[in-house]
Amino acid sequence: QQQVKQSPQSLIVQKGGISIINCAYENTAFDYFPWYQQFPGKGPALLIAIRPDVSEKKEGRFTISFNKSAKQFSLHIMDSQPGDSATYFCAASSVRDSGYSTLTFGKGTMLLVSP
Amino acid sequence: NAGVTQTPKFQVLKTGQSMTLQCAQDMNHNSMYWYRQDPGMGLRLIYYSASEGTTDKGEVPNGYNVSRLNKREFSLRLESAAPSQTSVYFCASISGTELNSPLHFGNGTRLTVT
Repeated sequence: QQQVKQSPQSLIVQKGGISIINCAYENTAFDYFPWYQQFPGKGPALLIAIRPDVSEKKEGRFTISFNKSAKQFSLHIMDSQPGDSATYFCAASSVRDSGYSTLTFGKGTMLLVSP
Repeated sequence: NAGVTQTPKFQVLKTGQSMTLQCAQDMNHNSMYWYRQDPGMGLRLIYYSASEGTTDKGEVPNGYNVSRLNKREFSLRLESAAPSQTSVYFCASISGTELNSPLHFGNGTRLTVT
């Protein structure tokens, strides 16, 4: 059972355009929502994250919008650049029965920004 | 700092062979994780270790065993490899048990089982 649904699977955006990636979740116990960026041959790296008590968080060209009632959150990349071409993963954190937190990842979105 | 180091980078196994994937971190982190990444499946948690001396199953633990050798090292063992275990394996670490700080990933081990 997939707990974090991510769309689209792939995305092509022209340089300077806005890239939008969406995620939805069902588990209301999730309490932390990060986005990870992964370049080919590398491990994922944290890009930006948000907690459910905030509706929006912006860091440079990257913005997370969070809708708690709809259980959805999205990543917006403004003025997209070829260097942003990567795979993006949304994720959600919850506390397991062990008492420790783990991350559940979406399936990823391959973004290609054309020059 | 090297961060999270995984060895080997690439490995080809025949069905039924065993191997151990090694992971070491030099950031004095408490918690360590093993994920597998498959096309169209995202990252799925295999096992994690919240602290030295403890390990717990994740989403997809079948066919794997782990050892938290010390605070720095967390290894993943395939006792009898199967083609379904063909994947890219990522080790990650974090300083505490709360995931509100970055999860640091290694660069992965690409494993092919024929």
